[in-house]
Amino acid sequence: ELKVEQNPLFLSMQEGKNYTIYCNYSTTSDRLYWYRQDPGKSLESLFVLLSNGAVKQEGRLMASLDTKARLSTLHITAAVHDLSATYFCAGYSGGGADGLTFGKGTHLIIQP
Amino acid sequence: EAEVAQSPRYKITEKSQAVAFWCDPISGHATLYWYRQILGQGPELLVQFQDESVVDDSQLPKDRFSAERLKGVDSTLKIQPAELGDSAMYLCASSLGRGFEAFFGQGTRLTVV
Repeated sequence: ELKVEQNPLFLSMQEGKNYTIYCNYSTTSDRLYWYRQDPGKSLESLFVLLSNGAVKQEGRLMASLDTKARLSTLHITAAVHDLSATYFCAGYSGGGADGLTFGKGTHLIIQP
Repeated sequence: EAEVAQSPRYKITEKSQAVAFWCDPISGHATLYWYRQILGQGPELLVQFQDESVVDDSQLPKDRFSAERLKGVDSTLKIQPAELGDSAMYLCASSLGRGFEAFFGQGTRLTVV
């Protein structure tokens, strides 16, 4: 059974700073997803990482995947207030039960 | 832009009443998921359909929850009777097929009083 752990679960940071959210998973995952969720809203897909060493960037966010370490990271560069949200990573283990398994989420607050 | 449609957006119901949620996936998406998200936690899979067939319902509390996707398109999730602990966001997602990227609807926020 795939287990996904994120840390930190809560992060308060200042605008302009850099930070990294970590996502560890317990067993082989064919792919790794990052989602963003604003309060009371649904999940918005940010990145899909399909292979070892995959790196994807969109604006101030960059995600990477290390399948050997079973680790994905979401790096925030020069944070701005609009990036305040909860970020989830999710793994897909394939096989018969192939719904996504989500981490608990990282609640990110970016203060001016 | 194609999106997953869910209704209602909000639902308040009394304990022991029945409640139902509806989901219309993106056209052409064969796989449909229902997730439950308790406040402050990540979504948890309740049931997964491939076309009209259930692929995984191992986490669905079958004594009170049921789900169907009769024609392999839209889907209904029902709770009867509702309990206080069922208060949560119920999210529907769809994908082209198993293992493809899933797109989420806006969700139904259920409050049981």
